[in-house]
Formats: sequence, structure tokens, C-alpha cells
Amino acid sequence: DAGVTQSPTHLIKTRGQQVTLRCSPKSGHDTVSWYQQALGQGPQFIFQYYEEEERQRGNFPDRFSGHQFPNYSSELNVNALLLGDSALYLCASSLVDRADSPLHFGNGTRLTVT
Amino acid sequence: GNSVTQMEGPVTLSEEAFLTINCTYTATGYPSLFWYVQYPGEGLQLLLKATKADDKGSNKGFEATYRKETTSFHLEKGSVQVSDSAVYFCALSGDMNSGYSTLTFGKGTMLLVSP
Repeated sequence: DAGVTQSPTHLIKTRGQQVTLRCSPKSGHDTVSWYQQALGQGPQFIFQYYEEEERQRGNFPDRFSGHQFPNYSSELNVNALLLGDSALYLCASSLVDRADSPLHFGNGTRLTVT
Repeated sequence: GNSVTQMEGPVTLSEEAFLTINCTYTATGYPSLFWYVQYPGEGLQLLLKATKADDKGSNKGFEATYRKETTSFHLEKGSVQVSDSAVYFCALSGDMNSGYSTLTFGKGTMLLVSP
């Protein structure tokens, strides 16, 4: 049973560019959440997708956008990259509205903005 | 809003020592509480959870008790191993309104265990 898979594992971009990160959830899960983890910090919630719509959003600017596909996979897009966007981006999947359904995380995409 | 405070690391222990990592939280409603572990170069793995007050979560020798009166969820292990070296994150969930799977994390505590 495959867990959460993310691609690519590493990415280097230049300021002002745009980036797309991809995520496939754990089999059976219908909800995908994205987190940003800066170096030495805990993950910060970006947004969550369910039924191809954004359900919840954290305190991130509109430069951060996402999409969920009918097969539950998801993309995170970041426009107009800033140096401060350099971080590990984690995708997590779960079952919607289930307090006993913990998040399952992928290994993340390490984004470096130069 | 919700917040989680963890003790700062690194925590440095010898093998077979007793481990405590403190975690306190501020939350509205009745969140679930979690400990996640992150090994170098990897994502987060769920270590244990507790969904209501006085619940004790346990896994792989680690345990933590949900204390509503002190708003705490301290992680303990009686005898650590070198393989336990990792970063440990305390987290709390949202509620029915904000979403159960919207987690708020602490900053993490690095544990280093020497032979």
C-alpha cells in the first residue's frame, strides 16, 4: 500500500519564477493538505483540498494556490517566488472530517529559491 | 488562535536514559493531540495520538497523556535508543469548524541519543 508520494524531491528556482509541486495521497484518502516547513521550524498549514475545492486556508498569500484532481491527487503552485519561499513543502492526506483520521505525510519537496 | 509550545532542543541523552519532552498548548474547543517524529531527510510520521482528555497515547515505548487541566501533552520514554534520534513535533488538530485535519505544530525538539 503506497503512502503519500510527492514529486519532485528537490527543486531549485530563481526569484520571480513559478513552481508546481505534486502529491498523490495515500490509497483510500480523499483529503489533501499542504504544509510549509522552514528550516528549524514546525510545519505551517497552507491549505486543504477536498472534492476538488479548497476547504481551509492558512495565513499564506494568494501567490500560493492549489488544485485537486478527480483521482484525489493535488498540486501546489507558487507564483512570483521570493527567497523566503525556500522551504520543505509537505503534502499530507487524510479522511475528511474524521477526528480519528491522522495525517499521513509524504517525504516532501525541498524548494530552494536563489 | 491555536498554538503549541515545546521545550527547546537539542535534548542530548545517553542510551537507556529516561526521556521527557514538554508540550503545552492553547486551543479553543476540544482538539486532538499528536506527536509526530521526523527523521533526517524524511517527512513526518505519526508517533502517537490522544483524542480526548485523560487519554494516553502510546507507541514503540513512547507515551503521552492528554491533560486538559494543565493543557499539556508531554512525551515520555523510559529507555531511549540511538535509533530514537530525530526531531519530535507536538501538534493539535482543529475542531469541527476549522477542520480536524488542520494541524498546528510546535517548533520541534531535536533528540540526540549517544551510545
